[in-house]
Amino acid sequence: DVKVTQSSRYLVKRTGEKVFLECVQDMDHENMFWYRQDPGLGLRLIYFSYDVKMKEKGDIPEGYSVSREKKERFSLILESASTNQTSMYLCASSADRRLKETQYFGPGTRLLVL
Amino acid sequence: DQQVKQNSPSLSVQEGRISILNCDYTNSMFDYFLWYKKYPAEGPTFLISISSIKDKNEDGRFTVFLNKSAKHLSLHIVPSQPGDSAVYFCAASSYNNDMRFGAGTRLTVKP
Repeated sequence: DVKVTQSSRYLVKRTGEKVFLECVQDMDHENMFWYRQDPGLGLRLIYFSYDVKMKEKGDIPEGYSVSREKKERFSLILESASTNQTSMYLCASSADRRLKETQYFGPGTRLLVL
Repeated sequence: DQQVKQNSPSLSVQEGRISILNCDYTNSMFDYFLWYKKYPAEGPTFLISISSIKDKNEDGRFTVFLNKSAKHLSLHIVPSQPGDSAVYFCAASSYNNDMRFGAGTRLTVKP
C-alpha cells in the first residue's frame, strides 16, 4: 500500500510567517505534487517534481516555493504567509510520469493564516 | 481558466438507485481521464480511469463513459450505497502527464 504522509493535519499561522509543509512518500515514487483545494475550484497544482532537486511550476506557484532534497520528501514553503493562502493543501505522488500512473494523495493539511 | 468542469456541485440520490456524475473538458489534448473519490479529512483516492481510445470502462458498480466528440465524461454508480457518499473529482491528463482537476461534486446517497 502506498503511503503519503503530511507533517500536520491542521496549522494556524500569522500573516508574514514562513510556513513549511512537509510530505513524505514510502513507495520510491519519482513524481511528487503539491495542490491546494478550495471550494468551487477543485484541486489546483502549485508545484511538482519529477526528480530529486528538480521542480516545475504548476498553475498557481506565486507565493510558494518547494524543495526536494531526497526522493521521498517534497516540501512546500510559503515564504511570507498571507490570508489568501488559507486553504487545504494536498500532497501526492505517482510512480512514473510516462505511464500516466494514478496519483496517491496524503490526508491533507488545513492551513489557516490569520 | 478551468479546463475541467464539474457543473453540479452536489447530487443526492436514494440508496439502490443510479448516481450519474458529469464532467466536461475543454482541452482536446487530454487523452486520459480519472475519477477520484474524497471522504472528509482524507486525501482523494483513485476510483477509475479511462483512456481516450475507449468509450467505456467498468469496474464493479462503477462505470465511466467517455464521449470525445462532446468532450464529456460521466461516472455511473449502480446501485448507489450510503458509503458512496463523498466528493468526486474528475481529472484529465494530457500526453505530458500534467493533470487538471474539476471542482468536485458532492454525492449524498440517502438510505
